[in-house]
Amino acid sequence: QSALTQPRSVSGSPGQSVTISCTGTSSNVGGYNYVSWHQQHPDKAPKLMIYDVSKRPSGVPDRFSGSKSGNTASLTISGLQAEDEADYYCCSYAGTYTWVFGGGTKLTVL
Amino acid sequence: QVYLVESGGGVVQPGGSLRLSCGASGFIFSSSDMHWVRQAPGKGLEWVSFIEYDGSKKYYVDSVKGRFTISRDNSKSTLDLQMNSLRPEDTAVYYCAKELMGWGLGTQVTVSS
Repeated sequence: QSALTQPRSVSGSPGQSVTISCTGTSSNVGGYNYVSWHQQHPDKAPKLMIYDVSKRPSGVPDRFSGSKSGNTASLTISGLQAEDEADYYCCSYAGTYTWVFGGGTKLTVL
Repeated sequence: QVYLVESGGGVVQPGGSLRLSCGASGFIFSSSDMHWVRQAPGKGLEWVSFIEYDGSKKYYVDSVKGRFTISRDNSKSTLDLQMNSLRPEDTAVYYCAKELMGWGLGTQVTVSS
């Protein structure tokens, strides 16, 4: 049940694109198409941004997109906006009804 | 719209117990798998426990096995987490989540003497 690996921080200027990676193993990220991404602003509850690797819930801007290659999943945010500044967590199904989160990535909009 | 409201958090001494509850509305609770996720101060999210929609399957992260018990009452649309033998490292905000897609606001648990 080791945490997935994410960069501790990323940054970008308004209008630019950033990508956050999430690296696991064949027992979690690589083994299932059940990766989700969650946004969390300070002192707020998490919010689902992407599920099943690349699906967007209703109401999430299409600037947010997800993908996966092998044991690494990625979240790309295009056309960065100030309100995108937050912590982002990936999460993967890890088999036998267990899940694992990444350590989180702090996105700074410069 | 998913509405989840956690309650039952507080301050407890090491070795003590707490029972968290999560009230659900806005969706068909009896058809939804549910989770508990926690976040220690200044730390990331940690998956804690899962219960299948009918309560038939229950799973836990290794660090809480044998100490925490997840349960649900579909007639009342409530999810519970009984936490026994609490340790300082259990200090966190505890969130309930519908299928890890809809989140509650969280309840603070502090384990300290």
